[in-house]
Amino acid sequence: EVQLVESGGGLVQPGGSLRLSCAASGFAFSSYEMNWVRQAPGKGPEWVSYIGSSGSKIYYRDSVKGRFTISRDNAKNSLYLQMNSLRAEDTAVYYCARFSAWNWFDSWGQGTRVTVSS
Amino acid sequence: EIVLTQSPATLSLSPGERATLSCRASQSVTTYLAWYQQKPGQAPRLLIYDASNTATGIPARFSGSGSGTDFTLTISSLEPEDFALYYCQQRGNWPLTFGGGTKVEIK
Repeated sequence: EVQLVESGGGLVQPGGSLRLSCAASGFAFSSYEMNWVRQAPGKGPEWVSYIGSSGSKIYYRDSVKGRFTISRDNAKNSLYLQMNSLRAEDTAVYYCARFSAWNWFDSWGQGTRVTVSS
Repeated sequence: EIVLTQSPATLSLSPGERATLSCRASQSVTTYLAWYQQKPGQAPRLLIYDASNTATGIPARFSGSGSGTDFTLTISSLEPEDFALYYCQQRGNWPLTFGGGTKVEIK
């Protein structure tokens, strides 16, 4: 069974940092492209960042470029999101989401909540 | 950025009725469109991909159609567990984007 378990969320002040982790199991993690998707309270999902299976291809949405860094450790079956210079508008539940063979989000974690507030 | 506009925002129907949800893209995404279902406190679940392909384990009452800029998700006969939020999502261009959602509620 595919499992994605996020951790690392919490309450942080504006300008602060957090590092999210996603532990993957039940599939060949190193063969899959992965993403972070967030969802602000009462809003639809919003794609944040993508990383290819080897880590060599990376994309970000414009609003997080220069502040967020996606990475992965295939030996540890783990995905990460380093978030710096956090803003109130980054407040959301953050999900790690696997890309299927057809590049759709076919598996999601349960999410970890990030709240940016003073 | 491709903007996806979903309509209606809310659909009030009874169990057994047919639901028709719309998603319009601001520019062509060919057939690179998916539909997700989300229930309160849960992550989205993939229902339909590439506009008309049903994801693994999804009941046959769910179907998708469309291409270019206009897409439809149809639920042929609503079951109690189908009352939820539905989002469309495109991968025709980066950044990947989602629509604002349609809530299917019990009438």
